[in-house]
Amino acid sequence: NAGVTQTPKFQVLKTGQSMTLQCAQDMNHNSMYWYRQDPGMGLRLIYYSASEGTTDKGEVPNGYNVSRLNKREFSLRLESAAPSQTSVYFCASSVTRPDRGRRNQPQHFGDGTRLSIL
Amino acid sequence: QQQVKQSPQSLIVQKGGISIINCAYENTAFDYFPWYQQFPGKGPALLIAIRPDVSEKKEGRFTISFNKSAKQFSLHIMDSQPGDSATYFCAASPRAAGNKLTFGGGTRVLVKP
Repeated sequence: NAGVTQTPKFQVLKTGQSMTLQCAQDMNHNSMYWYRQDPGMGLRLIYYSASEGTTDKGEVPNGYNVSRLNKREFSLRLESAAPSQTSVYFCASSVTRPDRGRRNQPQHFGDGTRLSIL
Repeated sequence: QQQVKQSPQSLIVQKGGISIINCAYENTAFDYFPWYQQFPGKGPALLIAIRPDVSEKKEGRFTISFNKSAKQFSLHIMDSQPGDSATYFCAASPRAAGNKLTFGGGTRVLVKP
């Protein structure tokens, strides 16, 4: 059981280039998330998708776009990469519909994409 | 401006000692407080979580203490082991935001043998 799979694991871009980060989960989860992790800043939510067909902005959406391709896949696109977008990007997924008596569900993370923009 | 402030940024503890990490929040709408553990090169994984209707939750060597009036919560790692060396993140989620999490800045814990 692979869980959450992110590709690529590493990428180096030049300023102005575009690229798409891919994420797929095999746990039949409804919700998916994209975070960026920077030293001392923790993880900050970029975009999330509560269910297939819906996407919403998180805390730091500027410079990014997302596509919820189907229930399994949620991609993150950088249209014109900037050095400030150098970061480690994590995708996560979770069950949306809570079990009886529990509203929040654990988020399951992939192992990240390390992105450097020169 | 971080809504969840975590301290210390790093921590060194001897094997068998107690590691203590603290978090403070401002948003009174937060009602779910998980801790995530992250090993180098890996994504974070849920370690333990608490809701504000209890003041303490224990799972094995890991304990969350919660002080609702002070808007603070902390993670205690008892009998710390070298395998506990990792980065720990506190987080919080408000009732009205579904499963969206706001993370603290992280604490890197090193347990020396």
